[in-house]
Amino acid sequence: GAVVSQHPSWVICKSGTSVKIECRSLDFQATTMFWYRQFPKQSLMLMATSNEGSKATYEQGVEKDKFLINHASLTLSTLTVTSAHPEDSSFYICSAITPGRMAQYFGPGTRLLVL
Amino acid sequence: GQQVMQIPQYQHVQEGEDFTTYCNSSTTLSNIQWYKQRPGGHPVFLIQLVKSGEVKKQKRLTFQFGEAKKNSSLHITATQTTDVGTYFCAGTAGNNRKLIWGLGTSLAVNP
Repeated sequence: GAVVSQHPSWVICKSGTSVKIECRSLDFQATTMFWYRQFPKQSLMLMATSNEGSKATYEQGVEKDKFLINHASLTLSTLTVTSAHPEDSSFYICSAITPGRMAQYFGPGTRLLVL
Repeated sequence: GQQVMQIPQYQHVQEGEDFTTYCNSSTTLSNIQWYKQRPGGHPVFLIQLVKSGEVKKQKRLTFQFGEAKKNSSLHITATQTTDVGTYFCAGTAGNNRKLIWGLGTSLAVNP
């Protein structure tokens, strides 16, 4: 149980384009999902907390107009990197929590390369 | 702000040796969780500790939560090559579900 999928797993795009990443909880309803960014050999950096049916809460320093988050249903949250630039290249990972539990279940991640 | 320090940053052991990673928080935590991330993979939840002084075991892994709920440790007995990866501790404070992450300890095991 508690499986989270993420799509796409890899994306290469040109500078200036927008990229949408989907995060789905496959066998449970996730009222809260988290979006992280991870650079090589570093820890996870929380970007935002996504709650179903409400606006995401962004961490300090994360541009909400740059990283658009939509949590339209209890099983789907999306992160759109708008007008991507090479410095946005990173490993983006989502996680979800099941109601009543604190453990976070992670998706497999999306590696974004902006040329 | 709230911080969780984790040491060591790297550990290289011979297969069969023991391994320990330590976490220290600047504030009292509601709970502490441990995750393992294999190279190229994503973090996988290992365990959660909630009670002061709690000790939990999973086969060769022993997890401890300090009496003051500010520190924690993960000990692996007789490491195996399958233990390779980065071990992260992460804690929550108060009723906040947001995790405060340690920087991780990368474990390498020589066969």
